[in-house]
Amino acid sequence: AQSVAQPEDQVNVAEGNPLTVKCTYSVSGNPYLFWYVQYPNRGLQFLLKYITGDNLVKGSYGFEAEFNKSQTSFHLKKPSALVSDSALYFCAVRDPSGSARQLTFGSGTQLTVLP
Amino acid sequence: ETGVTQTPRHLVMGMTNKKSLKCEQHLGHNAMYWYKQSAKKPLELMFVYSLEERVENNSVPSRFSPECPNSSHLFLHLHTLQPEDSALYLCASSQDLDRGTRGNQPQHFGDGTRLSIL
Repeated sequence: AQSVAQPEDQVNVAEGNPLTVKCTYSVSGNPYLFWYVQYPNRGLQFLLKYITGDNLVKGSYGFEAEFNKSQTSFHLKKPSALVSDSALYFCAVRDPSGSARQLTFGSGTQLTVLP
Repeated sequence: ETGVTQTPRHLVMGMTNKKSLKCEQHLGHNAMYWYKQSAKKPLELMFVYSLEERVENNSVPSRFSPECPNSSHLFLHLHTLQPEDSALYLCASSQDLDRGTRGNQPQHFGDGTRLSIL
């Protein structure tokens, strides 16, 4: 079975400070990992993914995520937060060696960047 | 924008009404999905279609009836809904079904239909 957890419902950070949104996963094999962002009244937008290779993945809008196999984590990061980064962030996992045919999403983390 | 268009954006209906949600994708994808998003709850996958064939039905009540006439269009027919069905319904598409190594492609989402049941 595949699962993903986002331990923080809410993250607040000051504009210009670095931000981290946490994600941990559980799969039986090697995971495919994704981050999505959802702005108010919009659908989810793909930010970045980890499939294989370099553990540090760079994505849209200056975001990056680090895959850590030993800690089964895939935290989303940005060196300098913008007020416009305020949104709901979802982590998702897929185990390509498993029987599930779809992504499993986390419950989401609301990021608020304070001016 | 995302290549996935959902209509209507907002829908208010009574419990005895019948309505349909529409999703259209212009990305040439082969797989389409319906999700339900309720406040404070994880995204719930409802249905999955691959090449117009339903391949997943995650224990969704029969008052929700999906239809996929071709790989570009997906409908969700609604009848006799309950107040707890009020939510944001999201449609998504991907190049192929999330199976095996093809599961490394991201899903593309529409902006959703905000459904309110009176």
